[in-house]
Amino acid sequence: AQSVAQPEDQVNVAEGNPLTVKCTYSVSGNPYLFWYVQYPNRGLQFLLKYITGDNLVKGSYGFEAEFNKSQTSFHLKKPSALVSDSALYFCAVRDGAAGNKLTFGGGTRVLVKP
Amino acid sequence: EAGVAQSPRYKIIEKRQSVAFWCNPISGHATLYWYQQILGQGPKLLIQFQNNGVVDDSQLPKDRFSAERLKGVDSTLKIQPAKLEDSAVYLCASSQWAQGTWETQYFGPGTRLLVL
Repeated sequence: AQSVAQPEDQVNVAEGNPLTVKCTYSVSGNPYLFWYVQYPNRGLQFLLKYITGDNLVKGSYGFEAEFNKSQTSFHLKKPSALVSDSALYFCAVRDGAAGNKLTFGGGTRVLVKP
Repeated sequence: EAGVAQSPRYKIIEKRQSVAFWCNPISGHATLYWYQQILGQGPKLLIQFQNNGVVDDSQLPKDRFSAERLKGVDSTLKIQPAKLEDSAVYLCASSQWAQGTWETQYFGPGTRLLVL
């Protein structure tokens, strides 16, 4: 079975500081990893994905994520956070050998203070 | 390009009533998904369609939930009868099927259901 853990319920960061949202995963096959963001009363918005290749993936709005196979992690990062980045972030994994079922973590709320 | 459309956006019903949600995927997307997102949790897949066939409905409570995608485009999710624990946001997503693999899933705005 595949699973995702987001160990932090909330991350607080000052505007302009680096932002990191942690994610670890477990799959039996090759992992396909995703980050989505959810703003209040909105659906999930795709940020980036890792399928294969370079371990550092660049996505929308200045976000990037680093795939680390040995640590089974896929942490989301942004060098300089904006107040508008305040939202709920979800990490998701898909087992490459098991169809397109996405398993989501519980989410991490990011609060960027001015 | 238009995104995934869902309606209604909000619905309040009493327990034991029935309710239906509608989803229209992104044009050309063969795969459609329904997720349930309970407050404070990540989305959980209820059912996945490939065109008008079901790929995965292992987590759909079939005694009360049903879904269809008769013409392989839009889809309806129904709950009958509703229970208090069905209060959640119901998200629809769609993806392309290309070169033998599923592409990224794109989500609609969701339908927020409150069962009283």
